[in-house]
Amino acid sequence: SQTIHQWPATLVQPVGSPLSLECTVEGTSNPNLYWYRQAAGRGLQLLFYSVGIGQISSEVPQNLSASRPQDRQFILSSKKLLLSDSGFYLCAWSVLFRTGMNTEAFFGQGTRLTVV
Amino acid sequence: AQSVTQPDIHITVSEGASLELRCNYSYGATPYLFWYVQSPGQGLQLLLKYFSGDTLVQGIKGFEAEFKRSQSSFNLRKPSVHWSDAAEYFCAVGHGGFKTIFGAGTRLFVKA
Repeated sequence: SQTIHQWPATLVQPVGSPLSLECTVEGTSNPNLYWYRQAAGRGLQLLFYSVGIGQISSEVPQNLSASRPQDRQFILSSKKLLLSDSGFYLCAWSVLFRTGMNTEAFFGQGTRLTVV
Repeated sequence: AQSVTQPDIHITVSEGASLELRCNYSYGATPYLFWYVQSPGQGLQLLLKYFSGDTLVQGIKGFEAEFKRSQSSFNLRKPSVHWSDAAEYFCAVGHGGFKTIFGAGTRLFVKA
């Protein structure tokens, strides 16, 4: 069966420090991968998605970047964190139907990032 | 543009009472529709999905949802709420291609 691992679960980082969040998927090949951010009490904001190795699409201009060095690995990074980067970060995967529509997304357990 | 609206930011129901969470979408074609649940500090879990066929969809944990094309709605229902159902619920639309559009969520409170 498919599983998704996301770590760390919680992270407290000072302003200006770098960030690396990692997400890996098992049990499926060539998934679509996603990074979402969820601010307190708010919905999901899509940050990045990837349809293949090295292919990254950014949804919003921001202080973050993403990379996909392997088929089932997705990394969210920052060179210098801002206070506004605090939030709950979720990794997810899905596959594309032959119809061209996405199947349901499967989510990791999330990373609570607090920038201090 | 495609969008998903969940009109209720939060809802409070008594344990054992029925529940209906509203979801309206804007999409030009027949959508793929989803409901997810999120417990505090956790990821999202799929409750149910609609792709085609029967417009009444059964999901996990006793939830069901009905797709009404004429009303562009996909409301989530449960006949009898349990205290463990307290969580945040997200409606989502499968956008053509790689993206899924999520609603802002409805937080459910259950009172004893």
